[in-house]
Amino acid sequence: DAKTTQPNSMESNEEEPVHLPCNHSTISGTDYIHWYRQLPSQGPEYVIHGLTSNVNNRMASLAIAEDRKSSTLILHRATLRDAAVYYCILRDVGGSRLTFGEGTQLTVNP
Amino acid sequence: GAVVSQHPSWVICKSGTSVKIECRSLDFQATTMFWYRQFPKQSLMLMATSNEGSKATYEQGVEKDKFLINHASLTLSTLTVTSAHPEDSSFYICSARSPRGMGYEQYFGPGTRLTVT
Repeated sequence: DAKTTQPNSMESNEEEPVHLPCNHSTISGTDYIHWYRQLPSQGPEYVIHGLTSNVNNRMASLAIAEDRKSSTLILHRATLRDAAVYYCILRDVGGSRLTFGEGTQLTVNP
Repeated sequence: GAVVSQHPSWVICKSGTSVKIECRSLDFQATTMFWYRQFPKQSLMLMATSNEGSKATYEQGVEKDKFLINHASLTLSTLTVTSAHPEDSSFYICSARSPRGMGYEQYFGPGTRLTVT
């Protein structure tokens, strides 16, 4: 599985945008970029995924670099409930495994 | 939609006993389910991949005779921790892969906290 690199932790203030970066320089052409988040003592929650184009949904936006070697998860207005560990994961189009790295612990300050 | 449940949400058992954890996909059929384990302050580690009607595929280092997985239907997979020991205490999380029409995404259960005394 191709590897991703994320900062260990980030902080944000409530109601401000948050940009969570992810590097995946060894991404292959068939790898989708997935983002999950995990709140304390809960299972991971699907956030968003994309292949080449930027993606938006009700939770977040995903900006994918043109060379696909990096991506950014954007939370437009952070809330206290967004405090979680965010995982950036690559998954091959034909595969089903998800390999979790250490993720980014997001702290949201009131 | 895409809800996955786990039961129980937490369990305490004595060393040497067995514990069964259920994972159900409530609103879709899942031919593939996954079991993960997560120790405190660590990330999720995949234990095994479970395909309906066939034997589970275990990750390297996971004892298949200790962690018995049964995927008897398209909505239910079970993980049985046999002869549990304190070192098996962990947060066990299952996920279910949605069918093609739902994008093959994985949806996770809320987890089961196992404490072995």
